[in-house]
Amino acid sequence: EVQLLESGGGLVQPGGSLRLSCAASGFTFSSYAMSWVRQAPGKGLEWVSLISGSGGSTYYADSVKGRFTISRDNSKNTLYLQMNSLRAEDTAVYYCARRLITMVRGVETYYFDYWGQGTLVTVSS
Amino acid sequence: DIQMTQSPSSLSASVGDRVTITCRASQSISTYSNWYQQKPGTAPKLLIYAASSLQSGVPSRFSGSGSGTDFTLTISSLQPEDFATYYCLQSYSTPWTFGLGTKVEIK
Repeated sequence: EVQLLESGGGLVQPGGSLRLSCAASGFTFSSYAMSWVRQAPGKGLEWVSLISGSGGSTYYADSVKGRFTISRDNSKNTLYLQMNSLRAEDTAVYYCARRLITMVRGVETYYFDYWGQGTLVTVSS
Repeated sequence: DIQMTQSPSSLSASVGDRVTITCRASQSISTYSNWYQQKPGTAPKLLIYAASSLQSGVPSRFSGSGSGTDFTLTISSLQPEDFATYYCLQSYSTPWTFGLGTKVEIK
């Protein structure tokens, strides 16, 4: 059974730092790209970052570029998000999600198939 | 960035009703459209991928259609457990972007 378990959220002051973790189990972790997606209180979903299975490629939303760093330790089956220079607008539940690649009608397609339960980050003084 | 315009933002419906939610992409995304259901306090759940493929374990009353820029999620007969918020997601190009959501409420 695929499981994703986030941790590391909490209350942090503006300008502070926090590192989120996502422990994965039930699948070959290194074979899948992984993402972070966040949801501000009462708002919609926002993609934050993605990392390839090897960790060699990373992508970021403009809203976090230069402040957040995604990484992974495939020996520990764990995904990370290092968040620096945090702002009030970063307050959200942060989800990790697995990106699946599959062939549909002869076309390679991508989507998030499994999500963790989320961890809340609150940026406030 | 590709914008996903989702409508309506909310709707009220009764059990047994047919419900349709739409998403329009700001440019062609082929069939790289996906649909998720989210209930309060829980993570999103995949319903439809590649515009029209039903995720394993999802009831057949859910269906998706469309290609290019226009996509639709249909619930053929709304059930009590379907009251939730629904989001579309484009996975055609980074940054992947979500629609703003449609909250389906009980009439």
